Amino acid sequence: ETAVFQTPNYHVTQVGNEVSFNCKQTLGHDTMYWYKQDSKKLLKIMFSYNNKQLIVNETVPRRFSPQSSDKAHLNLRIKSVEPEDSAVYLCASRGLGVYAEQFFGPGTRLTVL
Amino acid sequence: GDSVTQTEGLVTLTKGLPVMLNCTYQTTYSPFLFWYVQHLNEAPKLLLKSSTDNKRTEHQGFYATLHKSSSSFHLQKSSVQLSDSALYFCATMPNYNVLYFGSGTKLTVEP
Repeated sequence: ETAVFQTPNYHVTQVGNEVSFNCKQTLGHDTMYWYKQDSKKLLKIMFSYNNKQLIVNETVPRRFSPQSSDKAHLNLRIKSVEPEDSAVYLCASRGLGVYAEQFFGPGTRLTVL
Repeated sequence: GDSVTQTEGLVTLTKGLPVMLNCTYQTTYSPFLFWYVQHLNEAPKLLLKSSTDNKRTEHQGFYATLHKSSSSFHLQKSSVQLSDSALYFCATMPNYNVLYFGSGTKLTVEP
């Protein structure tokens, strides 16, 4: 049962283009995340948002920017994509409590030509 | 800084055999450790979690024990099934918010 939704599933674009990915969670969670999973399947945190405030930014290039309209939505914009941005971008959300589980969306696969 | 190490990149086993996937960690504060499983083309899902020293935690036939003395949280199962074929990630949450994942272990179970 999916509670973290991501669109699109796939996106193919060319170097230099701008792309935007959407994420919505229906769990009522306060914190949302973007992770990048590269071709070697390594999972790395990109951003964390809590009540529309960015609270973590793990040395991500400036062309990446998270955008949130409310606590249920966290989008990801990439201003000018580069080949190394090809990856799966996973959105996640987490409720309150120090031990709360993170729930992941199905991911958006980006291919940069 | 905080980190997690998974030493096996690939593990291939025959159905019915036991498995142990290694996970060691380095954390600044009291550790929270997790195992996530990711089946092909699916989202990662929580399998196990623990912050209690020397207490075994179990779920769906998998189990792990956090050992603070050796900084380990190895994942085990006594008899693997074909459906266990997946990527397994060990992770730590050092600051009550962000997960830091290990490099993952791909488990392939053969008939």
